[in-house]
Amino acid sequence: QKEVEQNSGPLSVPEGAIASLNCTYSDRGSQSFFWYRQYSGKSPELIMSIYSNGDKEDGRFTAQLNKASQYVSLLIRDSQPSDSATYLCAVNSPSHAGNMLTFGGGTRLMVKP
Amino acid sequence: ETGVTQTPRHLVMGMTNKKSLKCEQHLGHNAMYWYKQSAKKPLELMFVYNFKEQTENNSVPSRFSPECPNSSHLFLHLHTLQPEDSALYLCASSQDPGGGAGETQYFGPGTRLLVL
Repeated sequence: QKEVEQNSGPLSVPEGAIASLNCTYSDRGSQSFFWYRQYSGKSPELIMSIYSNGDKEDGRFTAQLNKASQYVSLLIRDSQPSDSATYLCAVNSPSHAGNMLTFGGGTRLMVKP
Repeated sequence: ETGVTQTPRHLVMGMTNKKSLKCEQHLGHNAMYWYKQSAKKPLELMFVYNFKEQTENNSVPSRFSPECPNSSHLFLHLHTLQPEDSALYLCASSQDPGGGAGETQYFGPGTRLLVL
């Protein structure tokens, strides 16, 4: 059973702070990792993807991957109230179909003004 | 707007009804997916189509029947559903199912289904 685990939260941070979201996965063969943001009642939208160990930065967002420890994280700098949403971690599980994403349950982030 | 559209956006149906959900992608992608998102549960993959061919059926009950007539269109036919099937049904597409940056999935807005 391939699993992706996230703390459901809510994670509450003040405006302007750094929000740190974490995700662990069980399948050591996983190769691709994605963070999606989902506002209430809306569909997931891609924030970042990461494929190699280390950090990947895009604006206020930084994804971090550590394959040896099987965790991936998302840092949001200078958090804004508009960042309040559920953040989904998704992990590629290689299969004969080539691409099956396994999603975590999501972490709900609340940024307070 | 991700280039993936879904209709209808909301659907209420009785357990004896037959209805269909439609998904269309305008991105030139080769793979399409159906997901189910229930309250307080992770996104569940239901079906995967690569180049119009179904490659995954994630143990989905037969009351859900997918159809993919071409790489741009995907349907989910529904019949004799149960109240526990009420959920948000999401369609997604990706350029390349084989890995790398092309495997990034883009989601449609979803269909909110209520089964009475």
